[in-house]
Amino acid sequence: DTGVSQDPRHKITKRGQNVTFRCDPISEHNRLYWYRQTLGQGPEFLTYFQNEAQLEKSRLLSDRFSAERPKGSFSTLEIQRTEQGDSAMYLCASSPPSTANTEAFFGQGTRLTVV
Amino acid sequence: AQSVTQLDSQVPVFEEAPVELRCNYSSSVSVYLFWYVQYPNQGLQLLLKYLSGSTLVESINGFEAEFNKSQTSFHLRKPSVHISDTAEYFCAVARRGSNYKLTFGKGTLLTVNP
Repeated sequence: DTGVSQDPRHKITKRGQNVTFRCDPISEHNRLYWYRQTLGQGPEFLTYFQNEAQLEKSRLLSDRFSAERPKGSFSTLEIQRTEQGDSAMYLCASSPPSTANTEAFFGQGTRLTVV
Repeated sequence: AQSVTQLDSQVPVFEEAPVELRCNYSSSVSVYLFWYVQYPNQGLQLLLKYLSGSTLVESINGFEAEFNKSQTSFHLRKPSVHISDTAEYFCAVARRGSNYKLTFGKGTLLTVNP
């Protein structure tokens, strides 16, 4: 499978617990993005990696959120002390090194429900 | 900063009818424009994009969109829809020369009825 892979697909957690999501981008894609999509809204940008460097973070990414991309391959998104407002679909996307026709390829997402 | 407005949250149409999904954007800099489609329980898939050149772009499944710089619009059209086109459609922009960070609209749910 050569697409963007996200794990888990679904996560139910109790308020206050920590959760971690994983994203495996398409091989050779050096750019990786995390987005959050809530019900009735379009995806909102969270953060961007180029290789292992986190180059941009949205103000949506509070102190409880942390993302990493060790060695420039897979990425993890951790949410500490989850709140009900964190319930959303978390989408990962990757794209190849900048070319004239770069596009972002999305994974199927991880749906988080905080109860 | 960029913003995207999709004027219709839901568009119901009958099969084989034409459809237009409207998208307007706001940006102080030049942008790339995209339409993504999301089928139920699936991720986003790129439908078509405008980077440069001809302002009319087409997808392989019959959709087309036209970039109108003066009206800052990028409306999506299809002359005859199928039931399988039922999905949520998102318009998005990215600042030219940027890291391709996308700013999305809220989406339009297209429902094609028999």
